[in-house]
Amino acid sequence: EDKVVQSPLSLVVHEGDTVTLNCSYEVTNFRSLLWYKQEKKAPTFLFMLTSSGIEKKSGRLSSILDKKELFSILNITATQTGDSAVYLCAVAPLKAAGNKLTFGGGTRVLVKP
Amino acid sequence: DAGITQSPRHKVTETGTPVTLRCHQTENHRYMYWYRQDPGHGLRLIHYSYGVKDTDKGEVSDGYSVSRSKTEDFLLTLESATSSQTSVYFCAISEGTTNEQFFGPGTRLTVL
Repeated sequence: EDKVVQSPLSLVVHEGDTVTLNCSYEVTNFRSLLWYKQEKKAPTFLFMLTSSGIEKKSGRLSSILDKKELFSILNITATQTGDSAVYLCAVAPLKAAGNKLTFGGGTRVLVKP
Repeated sequence: DAGITQSPRHKVTETGTPVTLRCHQTENHRYMYWYRQDPGHGLRLIHYSYGVKDTDKGEVSDGYSVSRSKTEDFLLTLESATSSQTSVYFCAISEGTTNEQFFGPGTRLTVL
């Protein structure tokens, strides 16, 4: 059974700080790992990491994938109050029936002014 | 934003009553999913569909059924609602060429 564990469960930082979120996983025949941001609504897609794309960057957000150690990190630099959200990590195996994802429990980030 | 709508957006019902939630997409994506989200549990898959009339169970399917008679609509039915089914329900869609899923706005269901 596929498994995703995110840490920490929650954290509070101040604007300008750097945040590092962790996602460890167990999956049979890894295909991809995805990061989502969820504010008070639906999750929105941030990054997808695969064997051929183990590092992604978009503005102040970046993510790396370590396939050997089975984890991923999401970094947010120069945090802003708009970064306050729950960040979700999900994994997908190769040839998953129904193209399914397994999600972790999420990390809640609160950025204070 | 992907064209996904859910209805109703909020519902309060009583234990033992049947409830149907609707997910509608305008993207013509093959795959559709129903998740529930509860504190401390992230998103858990209830049922999914890989085509019209093709559905299968997820990890928390007990007490739920689904139907997909058209590509654009995926219905989730709680046959006899219980208080443990109080949750936020999200529908998602996926084209299938990648693993990316797009989520609807969610339905907050309260079972009294």
